[in-house]
Amino acid sequence: QSALTQPASVSGSPGQSITISCTGTNNDIGYYNYVSWYQHLPGRAPKLLIYEVSNRPSGVSNRFSGSKFDSTASLTISGLQAEDEGDYFCMSFRSGHTLVFGGGTKVTVL
Amino acid sequence: EEQLVEAGGGLVEPGGSLRLSCAASGFMFNHYGLNWVRQAPGKGLEWVSHISYNNWVIMYADSVKGRFIISRDNAKGLLYLEMNSLRAEDTAVYFCSRDGGRGWDMDVWGQGTTVSVSS
Repeated sequence: QSALTQPASVSGSPGQSITISCTGTNNDIGYYNYVSWYQHLPGRAPKLLIYEVSNRPSGVSNRFSGSKFDSTASLTISGLQAEDEGDYFCMSFRSGHTLVFGGGTKVTVL
Repeated sequence: EEQLVEAGGGLVEPGGSLRLSCAASGFMFNHYGLNWVRQAPGKGLEWVSHISYNNWVIMYADSVKGRFIISRDNAKGLLYLEMNSLRAEDTAVYFCSRDGGRGWDMDVWGQGTTVSVSS
């Protein structure tokens, strides 16, 4: 089961916007709107940021937004803050009744 | 507060077995599906297994199929992962997570328990 493809790292200055891509296939992102995004800070439990491509759970900052085009999903962080530094993972449902994560993207605030 | 707490991790020799548990509190346990997700040292998250709220749907990643068994006790609010024929590549932090019910999202996570497979 190959992982979804994410860039290894993305960086930006405070206040800027950054976008993390997550590329899959027609068997996962391209077919299902079951894409979610997670923030994973060192030593902490992962945190759900986005579900079903573009929906934010209550309590998640509106600086986080999600979208999808064809087989690529994207997470945009607006107004980048120092506290946003960490690892970000996408996840999708995949045909054959499995779930698959992306390889993860390390976000650095310059 | 909705909470999941894993337990049962430890050091085990290759070929050995281990049973992880995950205790839930603060929500109606029998209303939610649950997952096990792991993270090997220096690697990303890897989904391991899913069990629906009523045990009707059970799924496994190919990497653990035939070796791991997921189960739950709704009366006790406990999720389990029985791990057999363990390999070095199973070394990881194992997280349990709750299925948010909105398209396979995972909306509550535990802090994880560490499994090390080594001789």
